[in-house]
Amino acid sequence: AQSVAQPEDQVNVAEGNPLTVKCTYSVSGNPYLFWYVQYPNRGLQFLLKYITGDNLVKGSYGFEAEFNKSQTSFHLKKPSALVSDSALYFCAVRSYFGNEKLTFGTGTRLTIIP
Amino acid sequence: KAGVTQTPRYLIKTRGQQVTLSCSPISGHRSVSWYQQTPGQGLQFLFEYFSETQRNKGNFPGRFSGRQFSNSRSEMNVSTLELGDSALYLCASRPEFTGPGGYTFGSGTRLTVV
Repeated sequence: AQSVAQPEDQVNVAEGNPLTVKCTYSVSGNPYLFWYVQYPNRGLQFLLKYITGDNLVKGSYGFEAEFNKSQTSFHLKKPSALVSDSALYFCAVRSYFGNEKLTFGTGTRLTIIP
Repeated sequence: KAGVTQTPRYLIKTRGQQVTLSCSPISGHRSVSWYQQTPGQGLQFLFEYFSETQRNKGNFPGRFSGRQFSNSRSEMNVSTLELGDSALYLCASRPEFTGPGGYTFGSGTRLTVV
């Protein structure tokens, strides 16, 4: 069975500082990996995905994520945090093969402190 | 182009009643998934439909059911509502059932059971 772990329920970062939201995964075979963001009372908005190729993936709003196969990690990063980045972030995984569902982590609440 | 549309946005129902939620996917998307989001359980997969057939199912009781129509629109039904069914129900669509196609989420239906 596939799974995703987001070890931090809450991450606080000062505005202008770099931010990292951690994600590790477990899946049979190669993974498709995703990051989504959720603002209050809204659905999930797609940030970026890893399919294959370069380990550093660039996405929306200046976010990027680094795929590390040996550590089975897919951490979300941004060089300089904005107050508007405060939201709930979800990492998700799906197996490259077969017809597995998209499995989400429990989410990390990111708060950017002005 | 139009995104994923979920109706209604908000619902208040009484215990024991039934409810039907609707999801219209992005035009051309043939796969529709449903998720339940609660503060305690996070994002839980309900089911996924492709070409009017249920392809995946999560671990929910039989009170939760769904279907997909020939135009890819999907509905989910919850019968004999319980207080614990109060949640944000999210629908997501993607172009195909396999492959790396990204999932696009709707804004959700907030169901409150009283």
